[in-house]
Amino acid sequence: GESVGLHLPTLSVQEGDNSIINCAYSNSASDYFIWYKQESGKGPQFIIDIRSNMDKRQGQRVTVLLNKTVKHLSLQIAATQPGDSAVYFCAEEEVQGAQKLVFGQGTRLTINP
Amino acid sequence: NAGVMQNPRHLVRRRGQEARLRCSPMKGHSHVYWYRQLPEEGLKFMVYLQKENIIDESGMPKERFSAEFPKEGPSILRIQQVVRGDSAAYFCASSSQRGTQYFGPGTRLTVL
Repeated sequence: GESVGLHLPTLSVQEGDNSIINCAYSNSASDYFIWYKQESGKGPQFIIDIRSNMDKRQGQRVTVLLNKTVKHLSLQIAATQPGDSAVYFCAEEEVQGAQKLVFGQGTRLTINP
Repeated sequence: NAGVMQNPRHLVRRRGQEARLRCSPMKGHSHVYWYRQLPEEGLKFMVYLQKENIIDESGMPKERFSAEFPKEGPSILRIQQVVRGDSAAYFCASSSQRGTQYFGPGTRLTVL
């Protein structure tokens, strides 16, 4: 079946640097994508979302980019802080049928002091 | 303004026992979703419910697993005759119609 996947399982960055987390998706019919942050022992926390009629969306210190041509999604975090350390998941919402989310494996982001 | 609530947070069961996991959606949300997460993996969809209706259960194992979302009270995920392979974190999410899914803190099930 089609699924969402991530390029890198781990990413380490220095505090204050920018980080980029990538995600590839395979369902070209999907029209809604979400990034979640999951800290150890907690549930996924919504960060930012984007619909397929957009190619960029900005939040507070975060930006999501969507490239439908190559079916690629990325999350940029500016000026990373220790509290940004977590596992980041991209998720894809199927267009047809139920509104279930298909999650990627996740990228563990570690912020070095 | 409470978020999605799940209880218990941790549940230990012996093989063959039943596990009941509860989820109360955010206020104003009528859509509930259950997901399962194994260690170091992403979440896997199990079932999508609205009040008194199962909309999509394509991710639910055919046997031993059931879910409900009654008119009154929380949504329940029920696992009968648990086996060690059922050990996982179970997350509930809720949304308004076509809205963003917000997740609860999860129930960590351990089967001895």
